[in-house]
Amino acid sequence: GAVVSQHPSWVICKSGTSVKIECRSLDFQATTMFWYRQFPKQSLMLMATSNEGSKATYEQGVEKDKFLINHASLTLSTLTVTSAHPEDSSFYICSASHTSGSLISTDTQYFGPGTRLTVL
Amino acid sequence: AQSVAQPEDQVNVAEGNPLTVKCTYSVSGNPYLFWYVQYPNRGLQFLLKYITGDNLVKGSYGFEAEFNKSQTSFHLKKPSALVSDSALYFCAVRSPSGGYQKVTFGTGTKLQVIP
Repeated sequence: GAVVSQHPSWVICKSGTSVKIECRSLDFQATTMFWYRQFPKQSLMLMATSNEGSKATYEQGVEKDKFLINHASLTLSTLTVTSAHPEDSSFYICSASHTSGSLISTDTQYFGPGTRLTVL
Repeated sequence: AQSVAQPEDQVNVAEGNPLTVKCTYSVSGNPYLFWYVQYPNRGLQFLLKYITGDNLVKGSYGFEAEFNKSQTSFHLKKPSALVSDSALYFCAVRSPSGGYQKVTFGTGTKLQVIP
């Protein structure tokens, strides 16, 4: 259990276009999803925390108008990179924490396989 | 503020030998501690966690980790390394206080198991 998928696994786009990345929890309901960015040979940088049905909480320095996050259901969150530029090229990873009945399992995040974005 | 330190960028170990990947942390209160593994161009896979209870935690693929409160450490160990264990390993910490679930990751340690 606790499988998270991302789509697409990789995308190449032209500068100035927008790209949408989907994150789905396949076998559990995720009240909270997280979006990370990972640069080569570096750790994960949390971009934002996405809660179902409410606005995302962005980390300091992350432009919320550029990285639009929508968490419309308990199994789907989307990250849209608007007006992408080459410096947005990166590996984007989502994760999800699941809710089990009335007990919130707040201790473990399950990660998607990541999306490689290349902006030309 | 919470933080995690993985002092080794890379660890090399011969196949069949025991391995240790080091991690120390800083957090207010009792920590939630995690180990994840990442294979090239993939997301992170959960290995194990410490929340409370026994200081020795057993996880996936034969890995285990020992929580040491006095040394604020949570080193990852395996008795006998496999070539397939070669990957990037991340230690992570989270404070149990509050409803915000932000987890802080270390910088990662590359494990190279030599045949």
